Amino acid sequence: KQEVTQIPAALSVPEGENLVLNCSFTDSAIYNLQWFRQDPGKGLTSLLLIQSSQREQTSGRLNASLDKSSGRSTLYIAASQPGDSATYLCAVLLAARQLTFGSGTQLTVLP
Amino acid sequence: KAGVTQTPRYLIKTRGQQVTLSCSPISGHRSVSWYQQTPGQGLQFLFEYFSETQRNKGNFPGRFSGRQFSNSRSEMNVSTLELGDSALYLCASSPTGSSNQPQHFGDGTRLSIL
Repeated sequence: KQEVTQIPAALSVPEGENLVLNCSFTDSAIYNLQWFRQDPGKGLTSLLLIQSSQREQTSGRLNASLDKSSGRSTLYIAASQPGDSATYLCAVLLAARQLTFGSGTQLTVLP
Repeated sequence: KAGVTQTPRYLIKTRGQQVTLSCSPISGHRSVSWYQQTPGQGLQFLFEYFSETQRNKGNFPGRFSGRQFSNSRSEMNVSTLELGDSALYLCASSPTGSSNQPQHFGDGTRLSIL
């Protein structure tokens, strides 16, 4: 059974700092890995999708990497801003077209 | 382009009742998935529909069911509600469910069971 773990569970940083969020998964037979953010009381917003054959994806200040063989992904956020405060979730897509989610990292960026 | 729309946003029910939640996907999206989010279990996959057919189902009891209409709108039904069914129910859509397509989520329906 696929398990997805995110460390740390919570992170607080001052504005402007670069930071890395970690995600690990137990089964490398994934189709893709996606990073989402969730604001309180809201649904999920897709940030980045990395296909299983890819190593990284970039969007603006966000960069996500994928190492399938070691079962790890990182989300790098450059020059963090208070508006980046949210819960960040990673999820892997399995053959059954279902996403398996980690429990998330709650990020707080202090002004 | 309008996003994924879920109605209602909030629902309060009592144990033993049944409930129907609705999801309208992004126009042109034919794959619709449902997820349950609770503080204890996190996000868990319920089922996925494509062209009115359920393609995949998660590990939930038969009280949880769904369907998809010809216009790709989907409904989820929960019968004989239990306290543990209190959760945020999220719907996601994509064009075909292919692995190169990100899932677009709605804001969810928050269901509270009294």
